[in-house]
Amino acid sequence: GQNIDQPTEMTATEGAIVQINCTYQTSGFNGLFWYQQHAGEAPTFLSYNVLDGLEEKGRFSSFLSRSKGYSYLLLKELQMKDSASYLCAVRDRQAGTALIFGKGTTLSVSS
Amino acid sequence: DTGVSQNPRHKITKRGQNVTFRCDPISEHNRLYWYRQTLGQGPEFLTYFQNEAQLEKSRLLSDRFSAERPKGSFSTLEIQRTEQGDSAMYLCASSTNLAVNEKLFFGSGTQLSVL
Repeated sequence: GQNIDQPTEMTATEGAIVQINCTYQTSGFNGLFWYQQHAGEAPTFLSYNVLDGLEEKGRFSSFLSRSKGYSYLLLKELQMKDSASYLCAVRDRQAGTALIFGKGTTLSVSS
Repeated sequence: DTGVSQNPRHKITKRGQNVTFRCDPISEHNRLYWYRQTLGQGPEFLTYFQNEAQLEKSRLLSDRFSAERPKGSFSTLEIQRTEQGDSAMYLCASSTNLAVNEKLFFGSGTQLSVL
């Protein structure tokens, strides 16, 4: 089976840096995704990792270690609009085609 | 690109009633997914279509749930004899092709409340 763990809630202040961790267990790992979801809205794609290392995209970066079953999403220069839920999701060859999502981490950014 | 469209946005129904939701994916997207999301949880996979073929269904999916994509474009999700536990946000997502980095585009969902 699959298991994805991420913290339930995090808080940070504007301008700061925050790291959201995700650990996973899969039978046939085939990629890890991060999505952002504002309250009442659709999830939107942030990043994708399939090889070990860091992928940087503007203020957001995502890291993957396949041997440790671990990823993190790094958000720099936090803005109030970054307050949202951040969903870690994996693709598992043994589980079919669909992405399997974690429960999400609710990030609150204060001024 | 008008995005993935879902309607209705909200549906309130009484227990035991049938409900149907519609999803219009981004045009040219041949892959369509249905997910369900409850408060404080991530989206949970329900079923997936490639064109008009329903290729995967979650083992958790009750037989009260049925989905169709008759012409490979829009899709409908029907829930028969609704129960209070069916109350959730139903999300539709589409994508262009199966690749390891396949990116899903989600609609804003249909919020179902079963009274």
